Amino acid sequence: ETGVTQTPRHLVMGMTNKKSLKCEQHLGHNAMYWYKQSAKKPLELMFVYSLEERVENNSVPSRFSPECPNSSHLFLHLHTLQPEDSALYLCASSHGVQSNEKLFFGSGTQLSVL
Amino acid sequence: AQSVAQPEDQVNVAEGNPLTVKCTYSVSGNPYLFWYVQYPNRGLQFLLKYITGDNLVKGSYGFEAEFNKSQTSFHLKKPSALVSDSALYFCAVTLGVDGGYNKLIFGAGTRLAVHP
Repeated sequence: ETGVTQTPRHLVMGMTNKKSLKCEQHLGHNAMYWYKQSAKKPLELMFVYSLEERVENNSVPSRFSPECPNSSHLFLHLHTLQPEDSALYLCASSHGVQSNEKLFFGSGTQLSVL
Repeated sequence: AQSVAQPEDQVNVAEGNPLTVKCTYSVSGNPYLFWYVQYPNRGLQFLLKYITGDNLVKGSYGFEAEFNKSQTSFHLKKPSALVSDSALYFCAVTLGVDGGYNKLIFGAGTRLAVHP
């Protein structure tokens, strides 16, 4: 195990639903990330948090709303999603936000939007 | 614009043979380069990284990669492939000291299939 836990593992939701993805890290890291993984496409960075403060919002639509209440927990709130938002959503953490640090990833939440 | 290219969607190798997974990059400045592996139904796992120094970097599970600045490449290699190496491999790059926070740029991934 990587020390990064994501729930749920699978999620099916309609376009009018509201749901949340949860990520928890047990590594004492100070930075957390949300990535979107779609088939045959590079991973897309969505959000970066450092010490609970958002440091990057990579042009993500407002129907995705992140929340970082403390350095161990990260949420991604979803509302009025589109079918093209179906993907694997990966959470990651690192000790800090320096460029040479490796990321520790969770197993992801496979999201299907109907 | 910064980018990472993995020219092969899939690489097929017989068990025991050497393997190479290719990666080229395009960034300004001095890059930091990474390889990650993703096994089925799992998140990405760190394999190795190049920051500075020796161009040949050794990582987990017997993998290594060679940084070639003139060819802007960072190919992943292993002398003898195992069936258990079958997975999806991602190359990633980020800027060096000018990069600010850790904004990794990933390639699209290469699926490695090792056959018995």
